[in-house]
Amino acid sequence: AQTVTQSQPEMSVQEAETVTLSCTYDTSESNYYLFWYKQPPSRQMILVIRQEAYKQQNATENRFSVNFQKAAKSFSLKISDSQLGDTAMYFCAFMKHHNNNDMRFGAGTRLTVKP
Amino acid sequence: EPEVTQTPSHQVTQMGQEVILRCVPISNHLYFYWYRQILGQKVEFLVSFYNNEISEKSEIFDDQFSVERPDGSNFTLKIRSTKLEDSAMYFCASEGVGTGQETQYFGPGTRLLVL
Repeated sequence: AQTVTQSQPEMSVQEAETVTLSCTYDTSESNYYLFWYKQPPSRQMILVIRQEAYKQQNATENRFSVNFQKAAKSFSLKISDSQLGDTAMYFCAFMKHHNNNDMRFGAGTRLTVKP
Repeated sequence: EPEVTQTPSHQVTQMGQEVILRCVPISNHLYFYWYRQILGQKVEFLVSFYNNEISEKSEIFDDQFSVERPDGSNFTLKIRSTKLEDSAMYFCASEGVGTGQETQYFGPGTRLLVL
């Protein structure tokens, strides 16, 4: 079974600074997808970034980038130039390759961006 | 940009009553999911649905739950005889078909409170 671990329940960062959220996972699959979702106080789940395990290049989306270490089964999220609107819960998630597979979520990291 | 919608946004019901949560997936998506998130906990998979039948379900998805795609656009989750512990946020998600489309997009959620 796949498990996802987020070891940082809470983090804070000053506005405009950079912060890194950690995620590790356990799987015997060789091909899979990893995601970061953001959940603001409204509790909507918003896709932040997606990584395909067979791609060595780390995914980036504007101020968001990942450090994907497949051998170490690590998938951290870096937020550059943090903004107040980045304050939210961040969930790391794993999904097996191909369509129609359930996602496994970590417990989340609550990020607070301070002015 | 296409998005998943869910109604109602909030639902309050008495224990033992039936509730139906509704979702409209992204129009060209064919894979549909329900997840739930009890307050303060991680997001949990309930069920996946494809080609008008359940593909996979978790141990949470017992006989009290059912899903249906009654027409070409709606995807519903029915909870019969609700229990206090069914109080949670319920998320619908949909996923496109084919390589590169293996990403689940979430709706804004329905907050269910069972009294």
